[in-house]
Amino acid sequence: ETGVTQTPRHLVMGMTNKKSLKCEQHLGHNAMYWYKQSAKKPLELMFVYSLEERVENNSVPSRFSPECPNSSHLFLHLHTLQPEDSALYLCASSQETGTGGETQYFGPGTRLLVL
Amino acid sequence: GNSVTQMEGPVTLSEEAFLTINCTYTATGYPSLFWYVQYPGEGLQLLLKATKADDKGSNKGFEATYRKETTSFHLEKGSVQVSDSAVYFCALRDSGGYQKVTFGIGTKLQVIP
Repeated sequence: ETGVTQTPRHLVMGMTNKKSLKCEQHLGHNAMYWYKQSAKKPLELMFVYSLEERVENNSVPSRFSPECPNSSHLFLHLHTLQPEDSALYLCASSQETGTGGETQYFGPGTRLLVL
Repeated sequence: GNSVTQMEGPVTLSEEAFLTINCTYTATGYPSLFWYVQYPGEGLQLLLKATKADDKGSNKGFEATYRKETTSFHLEKGSVQVSDSAVYFCALRDSGGYQKVTFGIGTKLQVIP
């Protein structure tokens, strides 16, 4: 139990569906992240929120839309996805102090399958 | 830009064997270095880290030393157990303001009884 929860754990959706992934951190951290994990590829950073402001958007297609309503919650809204978007989506949080040595705490991930 | 190189695996070892997973990096500044581990069905969790040259991180019998001269952070364990079967990720992060974490591709370790 890392203090970061994600729901749902598994999701199957069609290409025309709209769904949302939810992440909640109980650690009092000031930064939250979305990563995409695909087989045989390094973790891909998608979005970063620091103090509820988006500080990084890593050239992610617009069919992925993040939302950070407060420092504890992060959403990833999905619409008109493609089969190649099937992957494990990981949420993480950290307490940023600017030293670079901060640990990221990961949730268990949402396994997404797009049909 | 920054990069991390590690072997993909899988690495298959018998229980109680010695483990080395190599990790080398390129970075523009003076990064902190990390090893994260991912057990089946779970997210990543920090295994150990080192924030400056010659530091040694250690946890659960695993060790890694930050070698600036060889730009390496190899993970070692003297005697692996079946419960160590997982995917191991080397990562780095520069200091100074917000800097993103760069991960390696991950090395899958399988330990057989």
